[in-house]
Amino acid sequence: AQSVTQLGSHVSVSEGALVLLRCNYSSSVPPYLFWYVQYPNQGLQLLLKYTSAATLVKGINGFEAEFKKSETSFHLTKPSAHMSDAAEYFCAVSGSGTASKLTFGTGTRLQVTL
Amino acid sequence: NAGVTQTPKFRVLKTGQSMTLLCAQDMNHEYMYWYRQDPGMGLRLIHYSVGEGTTAKGEVPDGYNVSRLKKQNFLLGLESAAPSQTSVYFCASSFWVPNTGELFFGEGSRLTVL
Repeated sequence: AQSVTQLGSHVSVSEGALVLLRCNYSSSVPPYLFWYVQYPNQGLQLLLKYTSAATLVKGINGFEAEFKKSETSFHLTKPSAHMSDAAEYFCAVSGSGTASKLTFGTGTRLQVTL
Repeated sequence: NAGVTQTPKFRVLKTGQSMTLLCAQDMNHEYMYWYRQDPGMGLRLIHYSVGEGTTAKGEVPDGYNVSRLKKQNFLLGLESAAPSQTSVYFCASSFWVPNTGELFFGEGSRLTVL
């Protein structure tokens, strides 16, 4: 079974500051890891994914995440926050088997202030 | 270019009433899913389908039924609504198995059960 834990349900940063959203995973098999973003009143959309290739994954809108097996982490970062980054971010995990399904974390709401 | 479309977007029910949520996708995806999103709990999988005519239980299937009579449609039914089913429901679809592919989400259906 797989699970993810997102540390911090709310994160607030100033515009231009570093964004760091934390995600730790638990998996009995090599995991596939994802970050999804949900803007207000919209569905989720894929931000980036790790599927056992490069450990540093680049996504859309300047976000990236690094898979660290030793720390069982997949934290999401962006060097400089923009007001348009305000949204809820979900980390998700699945196993590598074809029958595996995504398990989502509880989400982190990112607030960006002037 | 509609993607995943959910109807209705909002609905208020009384306890014991029934209703059906419709999900339609125009991307010829094999896999379709129904999730519910509740504050502090992230997204939880209700039911899913790996192809036309197939359905399977997810993490929280009790109180819901589904059908996938046509490849492009996935229906979620509540036979006797309960206040605990007040939630935002998201439909999603994917072409490949979920652990390697991208899930495409609808905009959600907000259901309130009084």
